[in-house]
Amino acid sequence: EAGVTQFPSHSVIEKGQTVTLRCDPISGHDNLYWYRRVMGKEIKFLLHFVKESKQDESGMPNNRFLAERTGGTYSTLKVQPAELEDSGVYFCASSQGQASYGYTFGSGTRLTVV
Amino acid sequence: AQTVTQSQPEMSVQEAETVTLSCTYDTSESDYYLFWYKQPPSRQMILVIRQEAYKQQNATENRFSVNFQKAAKSFSLKISDSQLGDAAMYFCAYRDYGGATNKLIFGTGTLLAVQP
Repeated sequence: EAGVTQFPSHSVIEKGQTVTLRCDPISGHDNLYWYRRVMGKEIKFLLHFVKESKQDESGMPNNRFLAERTGGTYSTLKVQPAELEDSGVYFCASSQGQASYGYTFGSGTRLTVV
Repeated sequence: AQTVTQSQPEMSVQEAETVTLSCTYDTSESDYYLFWYKQPPSRQMILVIRQEAYKQQNATENRFSVNFQKAAKSFSLKISDSQLGDAAMYFCAYRDYGGATNKLIFGTGTLLAVQP
């Protein structure tokens, strides 16, 4: 089966610009997650979709971040306007059910805000 | 709130030797899952091993095994017969058992270098 696909793999934008990250989960996986790792720090949870609904968005840092999952398939994470502290690697993951066996992660999008 | 601590930012091991990566966590829950993930330079994170807290037996996957000490809240990863392909960033992660959210709580990672 195809894995979790994220693109772009790398994005460099200027402060104040807008960037949209995309994640295509494994087909049939209702659960989709976004995580972020800022350099040298832990990977932090951002939010969790079940199909098209936001199950948990407690990790979203502020209202400059907007995540959507229209139709319960792929998801986008938009950052508008981007700030320097938004730089990091954004991971997407998907799972079936309760994910007691963990998730399948994508390769991440490295976002650099300059 | 649950936390995960990896106190070794970097480790190094000789090929064919054994290395142990440390992880401690804090939780008030009695049932939970613990994971070790590996992120090689290609960046996709891969699940290495998983432990259910209610199982006393330590999980083992080929050359990878854990030392799970529930009372001490410790979950270390042992890699035996280290290979060059084991070089990667290793993340320890915690997840509540059940609950409405499946979110993982990660440590800061340990970068493992394997010397030929």
